[in-house]
This record gives sequence, C-alpha cells and structure tokens, in this order.
Amino acid sequence: QVTLRESGPALVEPTQTLTLTCTCSGFSLTTSGMCVNWIRQPPGKALEWLARIDWDEDKFYSASLKTRLTISKDTSKNQVVLTMTNMEHVDTATYYCARMDSSGHYYFDYWGQGMLVTVSS
Amino acid sequence: QSALTQPASVSGSPGQSITISCTGTNSDVGNYNYVSWYQQHPGQAPKLMISDVSKRPSGVSNRFSGSKSGNTASLTISGLQAEDEADYYCCSYAGSTTFYVFGTGTAVTVL
Repeated sequence: QVTLRESGPALVEPTQTLTLTCTCSGFSLTTSGMCVNWIRQPPGKALEWLARIDWDEDKFYSASLKTRLTISKDTSKNQVVLTMTNMEHVDTATYYCARMDSSGHYYFDYWGQGMLVTVSS
Repeated sequence: QSALTQPASVSGSPGQSITISCTGTNSDVGNYNYVSWYQQHPGQAPKLMISDVSKRPSGVSNRFSGSKSGNTASLTISGLQAEDEADYYCCSYAGSTTFYVFGTGTAVTVL
C-alpha cells in the first residue's frame, strides 16, 4: 500500500525557512522511475507545482520559486525534504507531497494528506 | 507560465452529464498528451481521476472520461451523482523548463 505523509511546522514566521518532510511507504525512492513532487494550495485557491526529485537524484524546480527551494531525499528513511527560504504571508498554504512514476508518465498518482503551513508573526 | 483556464463552476442535475474544459497553450496542453485530472473534496487531498488525457486509473468510475482537442482538454462526468460534487483540477506537462501547470479549478455542484 502506497502512502505519503507530510510533516513539519504548522506555523512559521515571516523571513524564516520552512522545512517539510515527506515520509513515503509502499515504494522505494531508489526504484527506477520513482519521483516525489511537492505541490501547494493556498486557502481557497488552485494547486501549484513546486519541485520534484527523481530516483537518480535529478531535481527540478518551479521557475518562479527556484531561488528559494531546495529538495533532497534520505533514502535510508525513504523521506523527501523540501526547504523554502524567506517565507512570506503569501506562502501560507497546504503543502502536499505526491508520487509520480516518470517512466513515460506525467501524473501524480498518490498524494499525502497535506500539511497546512501558516506564515504569521 | 500562466495557469490553465477552467470555468469557475459547473452544475448539473443527478443523472445528467457535464463537461469541464481546460484551456492551455501550444506549450502545454496542445503540445503534450500528458493532461491529468484531479478530484478534490473539501478538506481532502486531490485524487487522480484521469491520466494521459483519457486513461482512467483502476478504481475510478467509468462515468469519468477525458479528451483533448488542440489546446483544450475536457473532463466529462456522465450520470452525475451527489458524490461527484467537488473541485476538479486539470494539470498538464509543459516541458523541461516549466514542468507542470495546473488549472484554475472548477467547482462542480450537483443540483
């Protein structure tokens, strides 16, 4: 059974760095084709893709947020970590991690339940 | 990269069919057969309903179907049921610079 679970702080102050962890089970981050993405959704608004890390360590970022994002993984824990620097009020959103099999596929087949992060002082 | 354009809301009576459009450009929807659709109930994570324009994942009702013409993709829900009331988002692969772009979202109401 494939599951993903996001964890991290529910509240961060402006200018701080956000660190979110996605703990994956039911699949391995080292299996060829396996990727994990981060996607966010501000309250009442649409989804926005942020970043992706592949089984072979390739990393991809949203062009508009590239300078603030870092994605990495810990294969021993089967976890993916996203850091976002210089948090602002507009970054308040539910952050999801989602799996993708990039072997000729470009869709998100399993999602975590989401982590609401509020940026406020 | 702008979001794909979807109607803000679509409604229908039980048993009817509705179609949600998703309009992009020749840099995303029009250039790749990698359009997917997601259903999101309030307070829940999105759920994959359609992949690769028209493929239905295992477990998804055959009342859901997808298609594409030019720069516009569509999701059709036939035999509308109360449980279909949710928000729906399209998503398209947009190449190796932009990667993935989502739609603006459509709220489906079952009257």
